[in-house]
Parts: sequence; structure tokens; C-alpha cells
Amino acid sequence: QITLKESGPTLVKPTQTLTLTCSFSGFSLTTSGVGVGWIRQPPGKALECLALIFWNDDRRYSPSLKNRVTITKDTSKNQVVLSMTNMDPVDTATYYCAHAAFNWNYIKYYGMDVWGQGTTVTVSS
Amino acid sequence: SYELTQPPSVSVSPGQTGSITCSGETLVNKNVCWYQQKPGQSPVLVIYQDSKRPLGIPERFSGSTSGNTATLNISGTQALDEADYYCQAWDSSIEAFGGGTKLTVL
Repeated sequence: QITLKESGPTLVKPTQTLTLTCSFSGFSLTTSGVGVGWIRQPPGKALECLALIFWNDDRRYSPSLKNRVTITKDTSKNQVVLSMTNMDPVDTATYYCAHAAFNWNYIKYYGMDVWGQGTTVTVSS
Repeated sequence: SYELTQPPSVSVSPGQTGSITCSGETLVNKNVCWYQQKPGQSPVLVIYQDSKRPLGIPERFSGSTSGNTATLNISGTQALDEADYYCQAWDSSIEAFGGGTKLTVL
């Protein structure tokens, strides 16, 4: 059974760096075709994919946030970490991590089939 | 960046078929997924690769993609299907999400 859980601060001050950890079980991030993504959702608004990391350490970033966001993985700890610099009140949102599945060359995408419960982050002074 | 457009809201009567569209350039060439999200809950994958249902998703959920438009159909809509629905497309750079559609079962 695949599970993911997000953890990190609930309150961040403007200009600070946010660091969130996704701890997962039930799969390995060394297995071909596996990815973990970070997605956020501001209150009352749509989902936005921030970053994705693949089993081979390849990474993808949202074009609008790529200068602020970094995604890394620690396969020994079964964790994926998202860092976002220069936080602003507009970054207030629920942040989710999710298991994503692909074929070996990324051509086929099987969706984000398991999501964490999400963690709410408020940016305020 | 790749953009997906959904209608903000769709209404459907119980037992009828509700349809939600998602528009994007050459969408037929991408892998479209659909997610259901109920208030206070995490999204749930209901369709992947345009038309496939994950295990546990009822048969009343179906999807199709043609040209620049993907469509999620919910046949025999039930009250419990009332939720926000998001389309998503993979274009090998980042998974873009649509703006979401609130499905109301009247």
C-alpha cells in the first residue's frame, strides 16, 4: 500500500525559505517509471504542479516558479524535499505530494494515483 | 507554459450524464488525466491516459480526447459525485492542471 505524508512549518514569514518533506512508503524512488510531485492549492483556487522528481533523479519545474523551487530526493530515507525561496503571502496554500507513474522514457503518463493528505502553509509576518 | 481551460461550473440532474470539458493545444497528443476533489479532501485520480479508470473507480466515469478537447463524462450522476474536477496533461515538462470545474448535482 502506497502512502505519502507531507511535513513542514505551518507558518512562514515573507522572504523566508520554505522547506517541506514528503515521507513515503510502499514504493521505491529507484524503480523505473516512478516519480514524486509537489502540488499546491491556494484557498479556493486550482491545483498547481510545482515540481516533479523521477526515479533517475531527472527533475521538472513549473516554468513560473523554477527560479524559486528545488526538489531533491533521499532514497535511503524514502523522502522527497521541496524548497521554495523568497516566500510571499500569495504562496499561502495547501501543499501536497503525490506518487506519479510513467513508462521508462516518460512518453506514457499514468497519473498521480496516490496523494498525501496535504499540509497547510501560511505566509504572514 | 502549457494551458488547460475548463468551464468553472457544470450542473447536472441526478441520474443524468454530466460532461466536463478541458481544452488545450494538441491535447490529443498528451496523456490526459482527471481528478475528483471533494471539500477538505485530497484529489483522487478518476481517469488516466485519456480514458482508463484506476481500480476502484466506478464505471460511470469515462473519458475521451479528440483534437484539442478532452471530456470527462459521468453517467447516472449521483449526489456523491458533486465535487471539483481537474484535468491534467503531461507534456514531458511539467504536469499542467486545468482551472477546475465545480460539478453540481441539482
